Amino acid sequence: AQSVAQPEDQVNVAEGNPLTVKCTYSVSGNPYLFWYVQYPNRGLQFLLKYITGDNLVKGSYGFEAEFNKSQTSFHLKKPSALVSDSALYFCAVSSEAAGNKLTFGGGTRVLVKP
Amino acid sequence: DAGVTQSPTHLIKTRGQQVTLRCSPKSGHDTVSWYQQALGQGPQFIFQYYEEEERQRGNFPDRFSGHQFPNYSSELNVNALLLGDSALYLCASSLTRFGSGTQYFGPGTRLTVL
Repeated sequence: AQSVAQPEDQVNVAEGNPLTVKCTYSVSGNPYLFWYVQYPNRGLQFLLKYITGDNLVKGSYGFEAEFNKSQTSFHLKKPSALVSDSALYFCAVSSEAAGNKLTFGGGTRVLVKP
Repeated sequence: DAGVTQSPTHLIKTRGQQVTLRCSPKSGHDTVSWYQQALGQGPQFIFQYYEEEERQRGNFPDRFSGHQFPNYSSELNVNALLLGDSALYLCASSLTRFGSGTQYFGPGTRLTVL
């Protein structure tokens, strides 16, 4: 079975400050890791993914994530947060064994204050 | 290039009724997955369709069924609706049914069961 934990329900950050959203995972075999963002009354928007290779993955809108195999983590980061980054962020995992089935964490609400 | 589209946007049903939700995948995508997102939670995988067959299924009862058409569009059917079926239903499409493929989500259908 695969699982994802997002330990923080909400993250508050001032505009211009660095933003980090935490994610840890559990999976059999090599993980495929994804970050999605959800704005109110909208579907999920893909930000980035880790499949293999470089542990630092760069994605859309200035976001990046670092894969750490020993800590089974895949934290999302942005060097300078914008008010428009305020949204709900989901980490998800799949694997070759799981096929295209994504298992999501519970989500972290990010609030960026001006 | 149109993304994933879903219809209807909102739906209100009463307990015991049946509902059909529709999804058109992103152009060129042949794999469609359905997810249920209850309020305040991460999406939960329902099932995946590829080549008009159900390939994977999550932990959902048989009341949940689906179909994929030759043009890759898909339907989700839920019979004997329960209050607990109230949720946002998300459709996602991808180029591959393998775990490394990126899933792109539609805006969702908000189902309310009274």
